[in-house]
Amino acid sequence: DARVTQTPRHKVTEMGQEVTMRCQPILGHNTVFWYRQTMMQGLELLAYFRNRAPLDDSGMPKDRFSAEMPDATLATLKIQPSEPRDSAVYFCASGLVAVGLREGLETQYFGPGTRLLVL
Amino acid sequence: RKEVEQDPGPFNVPEGATVAFNCTYSNSASQSFFWYRQDCRKEPKLLMSVYSSGNEDGRFTAQLNRASQYISLLIRDSKLSDSATYLCVVNVLGNTGKLIFGQGTTLQVKP
Repeated sequence: DARVTQTPRHKVTEMGQEVTMRCQPILGHNTVFWYRQTMMQGLELLAYFRNRAPLDDSGMPKDRFSAEMPDATLATLKIQPSEPRDSAVYFCASGLVAVGLREGLETQYFGPGTRLLVL
Repeated sequence: RKEVEQDPGPFNVPEGATVAFNCTYSNSASQSFFWYRQDCRKEPKLLMSVYSSGNEDGRFTAQLNRASQYISLLIRDSKLSDSATYLCVVNVLGNTGKLIFGQGTTLQVKP
């Protein structure tokens, strides 16, 4: 049963510290997404990649957040320096974009999330 | 105006009841539609896709009205295990596969 994995599952850190979250997408999926979820804002798309190339990171605070895909099996989201307002659940999702007449993502599979608390 | 809007609820219903959720979307170019389910402190999971002709999966029925730009989800004979947040999701054609998530509607089924 293929699934998206994320590490760490929980992270508590102090303001100003660097936080790195990792995601392993489902093998064969060509699109990877990073989301942030809070009670107030719901699910927000931060960035996403197609075939490891960044397609859109407009939802991400550029000054402190960075997202990369060093290889097809690893996506990372980094916050440096972290702030208390970054406290949220960060989800990674992967999917396979259909190529052809019907362009679009069939579905996305989410990882279990990283619960981040910045004190 | 949000691209995808849902009534956040909560909807509190007794077991066995029928409950319906609606969702509206603003972009008329939207092409694909989904309902996701999210349990407390868990990740969202695909519940069902929504097709133009409407589709049914057991106790769940999804319908799409393109003219009015809304999507609905009907749950019949609700179970305690149906308690969750239901997310309406839209994919705009040409938007490179980016899904737009609604805020979710919370359902609480009571014994």
